[in-house]
Amino acid sequence: AQRVTQPEKLLSVFKGAPVELKCNYSYSGSPELFWYVQYSRQRLQLLLRHISRESIKGFTADLNKGETSFHLKKPFAQEEDSAMYYCALSYSSASKIIFGSGTRLSIRP
Amino acid sequence: ETGVTQSPTHLIKTRGQQVTLRCSSQSGHNTVSWYQQALGQGPQFIFQYYREEENGRGNFPPRFSGLQFPNYSSELNVNALELDDSALYLCASSLEGLPLNAFFGQGTRLTVV
Repeated sequence: AQRVTQPEKLLSVFKGAPVELKCNYSYSGSPELFWYVQYSRQRLQLLLRHISRESIKGFTADLNKGETSFHLKKPFAQEEDSAMYYCALSYSSASKIIFGSGTRLSIRP
Repeated sequence: ETGVTQSPTHLIKTRGQQVTLRCSSQSGHNTVSWYQQALGQGPQFIFQYYREEENGRGNFPPRFSGLQFPNYSSELNVNALELDDSALYLCASSLEGLPLNAFFGQGTRLTVV
């Protein structure tokens, strides 16, 4: 069965420090991986997709099929990065997105 | 502003009652998906409606049902409410039956007592 695992419920780092939010998935085919973010009192929104290979707000994520991982990284954390982050998976012909349980990122000043 | 709106924002119901939640999709989107987000968990897929037909369903019992209207807005109905149905219910609109590039609503917080 398809599954997304985010092992950390809470990650707290100092402003300016590097950030890495871990995500592992299980899917035998070719997945599409996403990171969604939810800032305080805001709706869930797409942060980035692996197929876009883009950097959004300084965040990047590389799909590692060998390790079935899609970790989210940012070299220098900013206070406005504090939010709930969800790793998610979908695949061609799927009508659904499978979400992980989320990691709360807290940036300390 | 994404344009996906849900109503009501909060709701309290008694166990055994029925509830209807509503979602207006983003202009131009013909697909609506519903997710349940329990406290401390990620959203879980309930079902999707594409052009007024159910187009995929998650692991939820039949007492969770839905509708999509010709204007692509949607309703989620839950019968015989249970305490475990207490959650945030999210609606997401997208295009052509695909979940990609989905825009989420702000959610309806349902509390069953």
